[in-house]
Amino acid sequence: EAGVAQSPRYKIIEKRQSVAFWCNPISGHATLYWYQQILGQGPKLLIQFQNNGVVDDSQLPKDRFSAERLKGVDSTLKIQPAKLEDSAVYLCASSIILGRGNTIYFGEGSWLTVV
Amino acid sequence: AQKITQTQPGMFVQEKEAVTLDCTYDTSDPSYGLFWYKQPSSGEMIFLIYQGSYDQQNATEGRYSLNFQKARKSANLVISASQLGDSAMYFCKIGQNFVFGPGTRLSVLP
Repeated sequence: EAGVAQSPRYKIIEKRQSVAFWCNPISGHATLYWYQQILGQGPKLLIQFQNNGVVDDSQLPKDRFSAERLKGVDSTLKIQPAKLEDSAVYLCASSIILGRGNTIYFGEGSWLTVV
Repeated sequence: AQKITQTQPGMFVQEKEAVTLDCTYDTSDPSYGLFWYKQPSSGEMIFLIYQGSYDQQNATEGRYSLNFQKARKSANLVISASQLGDSAMYFCKIGQNFVFGPGTRLSVLP
């Protein structure tokens, strides 16, 4: 079974530029998550989708971050304009359903450096 | 609100020995799940083990086991017979979505 796919793997941009990350979850997984992991910290949830609807985006900085999952499968996370503090790994994850005991599976992450 | 504390920023263990990674948590949810993930230097988060708050027995998965003490709100991960490949960051997580601990970096020495 294929895992969660993410691209690009690495990205370096200048501040005030824009960047987009793509995620393809495990087939059949209805729930998709985007996490931000700053170096030395644990991941922080940015947004959670259930199919193509947003379940929680309370920690997404909406002035510069946006995410969509139009057809309930792939998802894109965009940052525009980027700031230095956005340098982090952006992890996409998926799970079969939304539930307390449901395991989340992660992709390898997209490493962003803003200079 | 939920909160996870991992008090050991770094741990060392000799190969083939057992090691315990600490995790304490705070939650007001009556029912919750606790997860441990491993993150090697490649960056991928790898699911290791899950414990439900109402599970009667401590969870085990191969060399991984959870020492779950609900009254003390702790869910420590025990890795038996450590291997060099176990060197990584380890994160405790509570709940379905939100809260990861700060992590513990485990280094296995040959």
